[in-house]
Amino acid sequence: KQEVTQIPAALSVPEGENLVLNCSFTDSAIYNLQWFRQDPGKGLTSLLLIQSSQREQTSGRLNASLDKSSGRSTLYIAASQPGDSATYLCAGRGSTLGRLYFGRGTQLTVWP
Amino acid sequence: SAVISQKPSRDICQRGTSLTIQCQVDSQVTMMFWYRQQPGQSLTLIATANQGSEATYESGFVIDKFPISRPNLTFSTLTVSNMSPEDSSIYLCSVEGPMVLGYTFGSGTRLTVV
Repeated sequence: KQEVTQIPAALSVPEGENLVLNCSFTDSAIYNLQWFRQDPGKGLTSLLLIQSSQREQTSGRLNASLDKSSGRSTLYIAASQPGDSATYLCAGRGSTLGRLYFGRGTQLTVWP
Repeated sequence: SAVISQKPSRDICQRGTSLTIQCQVDSQVTMMFWYRQQPGQSLTLIATANQGSEATYESGFVIDKFPISRPNLTFSTLTVSNMSPEDSSIYLCSVEGPMVLGYTFGSGTRLTVV
């Protein structure tokens, strides 16, 4: 069974800082890894998807990397803004068809 | 990517009653997934719903408590039965898109049982 861990659990930073959120997983036979954003009481918004054959993906100020051999992924947020405040979840898709394994998330607060 | 319409967005229910949550997808999908997110926790898969067959439930979840329907390739319902305060959670449906897009989630149903 895939287990996903996210560190830190919470992070509070001033606006403008560059951030790194960490995600680790136990089974290197990961099919792909997806980063999501969740606003309080809301559903999930997909940010980035990294296939197992890829090393990183970029979208705007976001960059996600994947290292299968070490069982790690990082989400890098450049020049953080108050609007980035949310919970960030990583999820691995295992070899079993269709299911995702989620970490518990990093709650990010960016203050002006 | 697929667009999912989930409703209701929130509800407050009396213990002992049941609530049915609906998810409508704008394209045909083979599998739909139902997740629960308890307060302060991450997402836990309840079951996988396939059209034309019984849903597959994860350990700790049973059909009598969480019956699922999947009448066609664009629609599914999850019922939370005989509710107790411990069922207070956010419930989300999800589908897997094309390979390059990953999973899409509905906006969630925030359930409070009193």
